[in-house]
Amino acid sequence: AQSVTQLDSQVPVFEEAPVELRCNYSSSVSVYLFWYVQYPNQGLQLLLKYLSGSTLVESINGFEAEFNKSQTSFHLRKPSVHISDTAEYFCAVTHTNAGKSTFGDGTTLTVKP
Amino acid sequence: NAGVTQTPKFQVLKTGQSMTLQCAQDMNHEYMSWYRQDPGMGLRLIHYSVGAGITDQGEVPNGYNVSRSTTEDFPLRLLSAAPSQTSVYFCASSYSWGDEQFFGPGTRLTVL
Repeated sequence: AQSVTQLDSQVPVFEEAPVELRCNYSSSVSVYLFWYVQYPNQGLQLLLKYLSGSTLVESINGFEAEFNKSQTSFHLRKPSVHISDTAEYFCAVTHTNAGKSTFGDGTTLTVKP
Repeated sequence: NAGVTQTPKFQVLKTGQSMTLQCAQDMNHEYMSWYRQDPGMGLRLIHYSVGAGITDQGEVPNGYNVSRSTTEDFPLRLLSAAPSQTSVYFCASSYSWGDEQFFGPGTRLTVL
């Protein structure tokens, strides 16, 4: 079985400040890791993913996440946030041989002016 | 491409009524899933399908049925609605097993 823990349910931050959204996972086998973003009243959209290779992955809008196998973490970071980054963020893991995804409970990022 | 579409967007049911939530995708994805989203609980997998004619249960399947007669469509049926099924339902599809999922806009269901 696999599980995902997002350590912060809400993260308030001021505009242009750095932010880190934390995600830990538990799995006895290899996994793929994902971050999804959900804007109000919308479905989820992929932000970035780790399948293999370089442990640091980046998105087109300045977010990055680092896969840390020893700490079983996949924290999401951005050096300078914008008001438009206000959304809910979900970490997800997928068993490489089973395909079913497990999602964390989500972190609400609120960027204040 | 329309991506993943869901109908209806909103629905109110009375306890005991049945209904079908529709989901369709035009990306020729083999893998499709249904999730429910409840406040503070993230997304929970209800049922999923790895191709036409093949479905399996997820984490919270009770009270829901699915079928997959075509690659494009994956409807979710509520057999006898209960207030505990009040939730937002998302359909998702992916090209390959374990790859990123594409989500529909969701159906907000209220059961009175």
